Amino acid sequence: GAVVSQHPSWVICKSGTSVKIECRSLDFQATTMFWYRQFPKQSLMLMATSNEGSKATYEQGVEKDKFLINHASLTLSTLTVTSAHPEDSSFYICSARRDRGNEQFFGPGTRLTVL
Amino acid sequence: GNSVTQMEGPVTLSEEAFLTINCTYTATGYPSLFWYVQYPGEGLQLLLKATKADDKGSNKGFEATYRKETTSFHLEKGSVQVSDSAVYFCALLSGGSNYKLTFGKGTLLTVNP
Repeated sequence: GAVVSQHPSWVICKSGTSVKIECRSLDFQATTMFWYRQFPKQSLMLMATSNEGSKATYEQGVEKDKFLINHASLTLSTLTVTSAHPEDSSFYICSARRDRGNEQFFGPGTRLTVL
Repeated sequence: GNSVTQMEGPVTLSEEAFLTINCTYTATGYPSLFWYVQYPGEGLQLLLKATKADDKGSNKGFEATYRKETTSFHLEKGSVQVSDSAVYFCALLSGGSNYKLTFGKGTLLTVNP
């Protein structure tokens, strides 16, 4: 149990377009999900905390208008990178916290390349 | 604030060698401690965890003991395999952090046959 999926696993888009990444908890409910960004050979940078039914909480320095997060159900959170630029190219990873307990379960990641 | 410091990599070992990856932390209260593993091109998988002092987490031959007196959670394995090649992250979760994990920078381990 406790499986988290992400879709797509990789995406290539043109500069100026928007890209939506989905994060789903497949077999448990997750009131709280997290979005991370990982640069090559670096650690994970927490971008925001996504709470079901309420606005996401963004970390300092993360543009909320550029990285739109929606957590409309207990099993789905989406990250939309708006007007993407090459510097947004990165590996985006989500995690979901099961409502009972504090353990986070991570998705497999989405590789975004903006041309 | 909370912080995690783990040894800089990369670490390169021969198969069957002994592995230690050091991890120390700074946190308020009594955090839970974790080791995650990331294989190339994949997300993170929980390797092991410990939730209180003197707890030992273990999985797949890896072990780490929660040492409150030294604020450490070093990862060890007696005999590494080529399949253990990955990036290893030490992390902590403390009460009042809104469930946010604090990660170390990661240590790349390469095991050669």
